[in-house]
Amino acid sequence: KAGVTQTPRYLIKTRGQQVTLSCSPISGHRSVSWYQQTPGQGLQFLFEYFSETQRNKGNFPGRFSGRQFSNSRSEMNVSTLELGDSALYLCASSPEGPTNGYTFGSGTRLTVV
Amino acid sequence: AQSVTQLGSHVSVSEGALVLLRCNYSSSVPPYLFWYVQYPNQGLQLLLKYTTGATLVKGINGFEAEFKKSETSFHLTKPSAHMSDAAEYFCAVSKIDAGKSTFGDGTTLTVKP
Repeated sequence: KAGVTQTPRYLIKTRGQQVTLSCSPISGHRSVSWYQQTPGQGLQFLFEYFSETQRNKGNFPGRFSGRQFSNSRSEMNVSTLELGDSALYLCASSPEGPTNGYTFGSGTRLTVV
Repeated sequence: AQSVTQLGSHVSVSEGALVLLRCNYSSSVPPYLFWYVQYPNQGLQLLLKYTTGATLVKGINGFEAEFKKSETSFHLTKPSAHMSDAAEYFCAVSKIDAGKSTFGDGTTLTVKP
């Protein structure tokens, strides 16, 4: 059974640019959540998608957005990158939602210079 | 609001010794509780979860945790540490209508030979 696949693994972008990260969840999982992990803030919830709809959203600015496709694959986009956006972005899939427990991808390490 | 406190950001044990990682939670309703492990440059892996029923939960790799409602605790234990257990461990809490999991700050476990 394939795990959660995130691409790319590493990314270096310049301040002001935008970036799109991709996540393929485990087959059959309908919920996809995104988290930002930094040494200072730990794991912070970005948003959750379920059946192509954003079901929950964390306290991030509107520069952070996402979507989910009919095959449950998800993307997140960050526009107008800031230095503080440098982080490990983790995608987590679950059958129905967070109370099932997550299966995480290996993450995308974003560095903004 | 739900929150998680992990006591001790760093724990060091000798190989073969007992591992005890502490987690206390606050939640206004019965929570769903989880322990995850993260190895360097990887995503998080679910070790075990408590939903309802038996308060002693067994997970992978010989870990177990006990839900104690009166103490609002969910401590993680392993009778005998192995070198391969060296990693960062996260306690997390979720509830049905929260739409997310809230993670503790993590505890880094070092295993000395």
